[in-house]
Amino acid sequence: QSVLTQPPSVSGAPGQRVTISCTGSSSNIGAGYDVHWYQQLPGTAPKLLIYGDNNRPSGVPDRFSGSKSGTSASLAITGLQAEDEADYYCQSYDNSLSGHYVFGTGTKVTVL
Amino acid sequence: EVQLLESGGDLVQPGGSLRLSCAASGFTFSSHAMSWVRQAPGKGLEWVSTITKRGDDTYYADSVKGPCTISRDNSKNTLYLQMNSLRAEDTAVYFCARGAGQIFRNWYFDLWGRGTLVTVSS
Repeated sequence: QSVLTQPPSVSGAPGQRVTISCTGSSSNIGAGYDVHWYQQLPGTAPKLLIYGDNNRPSGVPDRFSGSKSGTSASLAITGLQAEDEADYYCQSYDNSLSGHYVFGTGTKVTVL
Repeated sequence: EVQLLESGGDLVQPGGSLRLSCAASGFTFSSHAMSWVRQAPGKGLEWVSTITKRGDDTYYADSVKGPCTISRDNSKNTLYLQMNSLRAEDTAVYFCARGAGQIFRNWYFDLWGRGTLVTVSS
């Protein structure tokens, strides 16, 4: 089981704002490790969306933004578009015994 | 073109072995840590293993520690994953991913291959 919990699904109409939460603990997000986000379109490889909590790689629209507070992080998508329909995963580091890099459970975004 | 191309996935019987490869092109392979991430059918992403840029340090998820060995050949721009004692639970698409970031514990994956499918079944 993943140590980072995300809602299984979120949905919104085109143009709306949706947020995806990523809840961790004191051994990962709460320990201050960076949170990163990935977008996986159907049948494709994941793509880096946000790194270092709130930084966008070149080419990623500014409709996507990240934030972090305490033991949780969030990804916000504003001005939702049809092409945003995908699975989204958060990722961080965990310093517990099992250690190292951990992904969130994943969230399916549906554009209504 | 900057890309990663995995190969080696196959149908293998439980207890069998497989070696996955990932060919890198378009960037300085030896300047990056590299990782394997897997995704079981219909499931989420699971980090498998990471190797530092010179190959002097390796890290594994508990679920694969022991049966799996990550390695790299910087002269061939290629990453490997040797998988032994395969079980049905190892069935997944295995992605090769390039590591990025300044600090080990804050590394992320900024370039991904398309993946190679490993199916463990009798």
